[in-house]
Amino acid sequence: NAGVTQTPKFRVLKTGQSMTLLCAQDMNHEYMYWYRQDPGMGLRLIHYSVGEGTTAKGEVPDGYNVSRLKKQNFLLGLESAAPSQTSVYFCASSGGDSTGELFFGEGSRLTVL
Amino acid sequence: AQSVTQLDSQVPVFEEAPVELRCNYSSSVSVYLFWYVQYPNQGLQLLLKYLSGSTLVKGINGFEAEFNKSQTSFHLRKPSVHISDTAEYFCAVSRTGFQKLVFGTGTRLLVSP
Repeated sequence: NAGVTQTPKFRVLKTGQSMTLLCAQDMNHEYMYWYRQDPGMGLRLIHYSVGEGTTAKGEVPDGYNVSRLKKQNFLLGLESAAPSQTSVYFCASSGGDSTGELFFGEGSRLTVL
Repeated sequence: AQSVTQLDSQVPVFEEAPVELRCNYSSSVSVYLFWYVQYPNQGLQLLLKYLSGSTLVKGINGFEAEFNKSQTSFHLRKPSVHISDTAEYFCAVSRTGFQKLVFGTGTRLLVSP
């Protein structure tokens, strides 16, 4: 059972470079999310989507863009990476049953030099 | 808006001892409450959840949590921990009818022999 799959799992970037993280889910979930995890700060919501073609800002959206062109995929883009974006990024999805229960991917560790 | 406080950033405990991880939340409306566990280098997985009904919730791996509305708490307990319980534990809250979870900063449980 794949569930939520993130690629790549590791990436090192130089300041100013761009990249895209891909999240794919096979549970037919309506809702998808991108979080970042930093020591002592827990998980903070970057952007989320409530359905195909929709996106919305979360708690820390600056410096990131997202797209949800297909229901199963949610892309997180960094147009010009900064050292402050060094973090572990988690994608999650939920089925829209109003409880908010999330299903997580295994994470993508990004280092910006 | 909801918020979650996990006062203990780290809890060391010996194997087979009981443990309690504390979680307090603030919300003026009805909420759903969750505990997630993150093992080293993995994503988060659901440990247990409170949606409604009995205030004592049982989860996987022998964990349980009690919802206390008057104290706005949702503490996680296990009567006897194992080495394999070493992980980071996150408490989270969502407002009923909404899809966004708010996470606490996490508590690292360190179980030693």
